[in-house]
Amino acid sequence: DTGVSQDPRHKITKRGQNVTFRCDPISEHNRLYWYRQTLGQGPEFLTYFQNEAQLEKSRLLSDRFSAERPKGSFSTLEIQRTEQGDSAMYLCASSRTGNTIYFGEGSWLTVV
Amino acid sequence: AQSVTQLDSHVSVSEGTPVLLRCNYSSSYSPSLFWYVQHPNKGLQLLLKYTSAATLVKGINGFEAEFKKSETSFHLTKPSAHMSDAAEYFCVVSETGGGNKLTFGTGTQLKVEL
Repeated sequence: DTGVSQDPRHKITKRGQNVTFRCDPISEHNRLYWYRQTLGQGPEFLTYFQNEAQLEKSRLLSDRFSAERPKGSFSTLEIQRTEQGDSAMYLCASSRTGNTIYFGEGSWLTVV
Repeated sequence: AQSVTQLDSHVSVSEGTPVLLRCNYSSSYSPSLFWYVQHPNKGLQLLLKYTSAATLVKGINGFEAEFKKSETSFHLTKPSAHMSDAAEYFCVVSETGGGNKLTFGTGTQLKVEL
């Protein structure tokens, strides 16, 4: 396994701009998750996919956030009209159904 | 609803002494419990997991944890701390066998001193 890969690792953007993060899961992992972690806190669940289907979304995922996994492989998380409160680390993870969840190294977002 | 409470936000130990990181959980169903470690600027790494088999779970790097249902606890221990153990540790609960949503505690920062 090459591990979960996230890109970019760091992003600084101006308030109001749109940003997109990409996640490449471990190959053959059918589940893919997005979490958000702010300083001093544990990661919080945002959403997850089984193959290409988005099965659950947290109420933390406002309508400015959209996640896709079009072919059941990589996923993107887009944040529109960014706000300073969106500054956080966005973590992607993947697993086979019912098995251990493996995390990527995260994408840091700073909104200025 | 499921939740975990990590009782200490910071723990400091001397190298070579035992480590104890405390965690209590709340779950409506039989939980799966995990400990993850996060080194600075790194992703989360699974240390160990409990999924209703043996109550004493051994993980990587000499860590272990004991599931105590009567106390709703899942404390993490290590007999002898090493400098490389300095990191943030998260206690995590999942109600569905670990395949779905994980709920994280707020983390315990472990400092290891010479």
